[in-house]
Amino acid sequence: GAVVSQHPSRVICKSGTSVKIECRSLDFQATTMFWYRQFPKQSLMLMATSNEGSKATYEQGVEKDKFLINHASLTLSTLTVTSAHPEDSSFYICSASNPGGNQPQHFGDGTRLSIL
Amino acid sequence: GEDVEQSLFLSVREGDSSVINCTYTDSSSTYLYWYKQEPGAGLQLLTYIFSNMDMKQDQRLTVLLNKKDKHLSLRIADTQTGDSAIYFCAESKAAGNKLTFGGGTRVLVKP
Repeated sequence: GAVVSQHPSRVICKSGTSVKIECRSLDFQATTMFWYRQFPKQSLMLMATSNEGSKATYEQGVEKDKFLINHASLTLSTLTVTSAHPEDSSFYICSASNPGGNQPQHFGDGTRLSIL
Repeated sequence: GEDVEQSLFLSVREGDSSVINCTYTDSSSTYLYWYKQEPGAGLQLLTYIFSNMDMKQDQRLTVLLNKKDKHLSLRIADTQTGDSAIYFCAESKAAGNKLTFGGGTRVLVKP
């Protein structure tokens, strides 16, 4: 099946640090990538949808200046959590799809972000 | 708006069949998915079904769709301890489009 690689898998850093998370589709061209946040024992919450070469579409309540998304190529999207604070600690998961090719979303393994 | 609901927890004995249920409200849902999440990991796509299908079987997995009642189920035959995980039901209007997830069903398989 399709493979989506997400790095890093775990980050622990001090408050105020900016953290970049990468999401790569390894064996198909991902015209669309999604970024989700998951709190403990809860479902996934969609943060934003990014389309290759255009600005991301953020869900209501998600600060676009806080969570910077870049989707510069068909295989790579990045999420940067800027000036992270303890309340940003969470499990972040990306997914990739190619809607034009009828490809369902395939997910990365997630990044656990802990801000001290 | 869109809403997808699942029961929270299911306990099953190893070797028995598991049935996880899901209901959704959006009649324009076209694709319905089942994902599996193990602790600390991302989501693994198990199977999906188009809204014009009633049933889909893939090895130990059987998906049943009642479009009239907007009810989706996942049956796992011969459940194994490795099937212990959280199972998410999700829907979208088209393949690869934005997903709406249910809250997840935690399945515990007892030996």
